[in-house]
Amino acid sequence: GENVEQHPSTLSVQEGDSAVIKCTYSDSASNYFPWYKQELGKRPQLIIDIRSNVGEKKDQRIAVTLNKTAKHFSLHITETQPEDSAVYFCAASTAGANNLFFGTGTRLTVIP
Amino acid sequence: SAVISQKPSRDICQRGTSLTIQCQVDSQVTMMFWYRQQPGQSLTLIATANQGSEATYESGFVIDKFPISRPNLTFSTLTVSNMSPEDSSIYLCSVGVSLVEQYFGPGTRLTVT
Repeated sequence: GENVEQHPSTLSVQEGDSAVIKCTYSDSASNYFPWYKQELGKRPQLIIDIRSNVGEKKDQRIAVTLNKTAKHFSLHITETQPEDSAVYFCAASTAGANNLFFGTGTRLTVIP
Repeated sequence: SAVISQKPSRDICQRGTSLTIQCQVDSQVTMMFWYRQQPGQSLTLIATANQGSEATYESGFVIDKFPISRPNLTFSTLTVSNMSPEDSSIYLCSVGVSLVEQYFGPGTRLTVT
């Protein structure tokens, strides 16, 4: 089955700096890569996603890039704010299966 | 996105008992899933709840331990059977509102003593 690795496990940045979280996947058939943000005690929230026919997608301060050849994708957050502090999970979905395989998560702390 | 609710939001149960968790969506959805999130950990898919047929379980999860029902396109239940402390976790349902996008319910925090 699909195996998703995520790095780093923890990340601290100063407010206003950028944050980058990286994931790799094993199954070349995976074609959908969402990112979820989970605040303490809350449900995971879908914040951005990318499909395998696209190399980059941006939504305001958040962007995701995908390298299909290398089988890795990354989340980029610019101009970080304290409210960006949360655990971020990447995931991959195998074509036709619709179920998500999650990375291990990255705890992002934005220091005011 | 769909509005998803779960009941109960939390429970404390004794070893050896069973708990049924309900997941309700405000609109019809094709795909419903059940995940487990152990404290401080990532999310692990338990099974896909199929409407009108048996659930599809992931490796390491079996129907006798986690029976699932999906009587219609807006509702599903997950039962955690014969519980042990190792079953203490957050259980989340999710729904697929397009071919791939998934949205999560608020979760059920289960503690087994």
